[in-house]
Amino acid sequence: EAQVTQNPRYLITVTGKKLTVTCSQNMNHEYMSWYRQDPGLGLRQIYYSMNVEVTDKGDVPEGYKVSRKEKRNFPLILESPSPNQTSLYFCASRKGTGGIYGYTFGSGTRLTVV
Amino acid sequence: GENVEQHPSTLSVQEGDSAVIKCTYSDSASNYFPWYKQELGKGPQLIIDIRSNVGEKKDQRIAVTLNKTAKHFSLHITETQPEDSAVYFCAASDNDMRFGAGTRLTVKP
Repeated sequence: EAQVTQNPRYLITVTGKKLTVTCSQNMNHEYMSWYRQDPGLGLRQIYYSMNVEVTDKGDVPEGYKVSRKEKRNFPLILESPSPNQTSLYFCASRKGTGGIYGYTFGSGTRLTVV
Repeated sequence: GENVEQHPSTLSVQEGDSAVIKCTYSDSASNYFPWYKQELGKGPQLIIDIRSNVGEKKDQRIAVTLNKTAKHFSLHITETQPEDSAVYFCAASDNDMRFGAGTRLTVKP
């Protein structure tokens, strides 16, 4: 089944404790992206990657890191989480750019930072 | 950059009625307009999309219309059913994709 898999689904952590949310896709998609979803703000892009070893900032990149060492994996790293990073996170992939491809989204990771 | 506005933020209809959600975008270079449905506890799922060379597209009970001149596009759901209850997002894309803030649709049985 074509899918984007992200883990964990739920995570509660303390301020400052480094964490990684994993994301993997099995569709051989070039383009991958991380979004956060907050009430009333919709989906805001954190980082994206157009291909292996190519990453770039989205609209809200502060406090996050990403890497793209393999085509299928795109982990999101919070080096020192803070309470304002409490949110619902989605990884997504699409075949390419050029504005003609839709996203496949993962099931989400609900992160709480206390 | 692109800015997408979506209205209304909440919409409640009776089962069997129609529902319409409207979006406007700012970047005339946008050429792809998908709509996503997000059910509780799940990620958004693509339900229909339209490209800028097309004015209308239909898939069973859902349809999308696009007015490039006015830079707005709409989602129409006819004969709504309780399982249509969800949050719907519009988006506009050239290379980057920007999402609207979402519409929570409730279909009352």
